[in-house]
Amino acid sequence: EVQLLESGGGLVQPGGSLRLSCATSGFSFSSYGMNWVRQAPGKGLEWISHISVSGGEMLYAGSVKGRFTISKDNADNSLSLQMNSLRPEDTAIYYCTTDADGDLDFEYWGQGTLVTVSS
Amino acid sequence: QPGLTQPPSVSKGLRQTATLTCTGNSNNIGTLGAAWLQQHQGHPPKILSYRNDKRPSGISDRFSASRSGNTASLTITELQPEDEADYYCSAWDSGPGGYVFGTGTKVTVV
Repeated sequence: EVQLLESGGGLVQPGGSLRLSCATSGFSFSSYGMNWVRQAPGKGLEWISHISVSGGEMLYAGSVKGRFTISKDNADNSLSLQMNSLRPEDTAIYYCTTDADGDLDFEYWGQGTLVTVSS
Repeated sequence: QPGLTQPPSVSKGLRQTATLTCTGNSNNIGTLGAAWLQQHQGHPPKILSYRNDKRPSGISDRFSASRSGNTASLTITELQPEDEADYYCSAWDSGPGGYVFGTGTKVTVV
């Protein structure tokens, strides 16, 4: 059974930092790129970051570039997102999801972890 | 970065057919195609189609997708109560270099 489990969300003050993790099992993690997608309360989906199969190429949406860092550990089958300089508009559910390089992207999703940025 | 445009809502009767549209441009849908995802309230999204018209295993054939130029479409036939959900299109955008999502369409089955 494929499983993706996000963790690390919570309440943080503006300007603070959080590190999200996505533990995976049940599929060949080292053969997939990965994405982080977020969804603000009551809003639509927003892609925020991509990492390649090897972990050597990272891409970011303009809204998080320079503040967030994505990383991938193929030995541990895990994905991370380091989030710095958090803003209230970063409040959202954060999902990790798979990437198949233009083929069946977004095939597998985690349940999401809620990040709330508020004073 | 710019997103993809979808109508906010579609309302159809039980067992009717709903067609959802998603409009992009030549940097995204027009070149690299689109995917469609379904999201029920309180749940993560679920992929329904990819690369314009391919359906993952396990997805009902009541869901069919297509593309014409810069517009992608998702047709849902024989609408069922469980089809009530939000539907998002997605595409890779070669302009900024990243994925873009549609604004989402809420489907209501009356």
